Amino acid sequence: AQSVAQPEDQVNVAEGNPLTVKCTYSVSGNPYLFWYVQYPNRGLQFLLKYITGDNLVKGSYGFEAEFNKSQTSFHLKKPSALVSDSALYFCAVRDGNGGFKTIFGAGTRLFVKA
Amino acid sequence: NAGVMQNPRHLVRRRGQEARLRCSPVKGHSHVYWYRQLPEEGLKFMVYLQKENIIDESGMPKERFSAEFPKEGPSILRIQQVVRGDSAAYFCASSPGQGTNYGYTFGSGTRLTVV
Repeated sequence: AQSVAQPEDQVNVAEGNPLTVKCTYSVSGNPYLFWYVQYPNRGLQFLLKYITGDNLVKGSYGFEAEFNKSQTSFHLKKPSALVSDSALYFCAVRDGNGGFKTIFGAGTRLFVKA
Repeated sequence: NAGVMQNPRHLVRRRGQEARLRCSPVKGHSHVYWYRQLPEEGLKFMVYLQKENIIDESGMPKERFSAEFPKEGPSILRIQQVVRGDSAAYFCASSPGQGTNYGYTFGSGTRLTVV
């Protein structure tokens, strides 16, 4: 069975500082990994995905994520946080060996202070 | 270029009534997924449908809940005899195929409140 863990309910960071939102996963086949962002009263927006290739994936709004197979992690990062980055972030995984169900983590709320 | 359209945005039902949530996928997308988000919780998978077929309903309660995606028209998530515990945001997502490298396009959700 596949699963996703986001160990932090909330991450606080000052504007201009780097941010990291953590995610670890478990899947039997090759992992297909995704990050989504949710703003208040809105649906989820796709940020980036890892399917294969380079371990560092670049996505929307200056976000990037690093796939680490040995640590089964896919942490979301941004070099310099903006107040407007404050939102709820979800990590998701799908089993690349024929899986079609995407499982989401519980979400991490990011607060960026001015 | 419309994305995933969900309606209504907000739905209030009394206990025991039926709730019907609609989802129109992105044009050309034939795969629809329904998720439920409870307050302060993540997204829980409910059901995956293709046109006229339910592929995986493992996340959907066996009683009172049903889903369909007819050949013509939107996908419908139906909740019969609603209870207060059904209050949540229900999100629909679509994708163009079953291929594992497709990300999802999400709708803005339907917020169901059972009073």
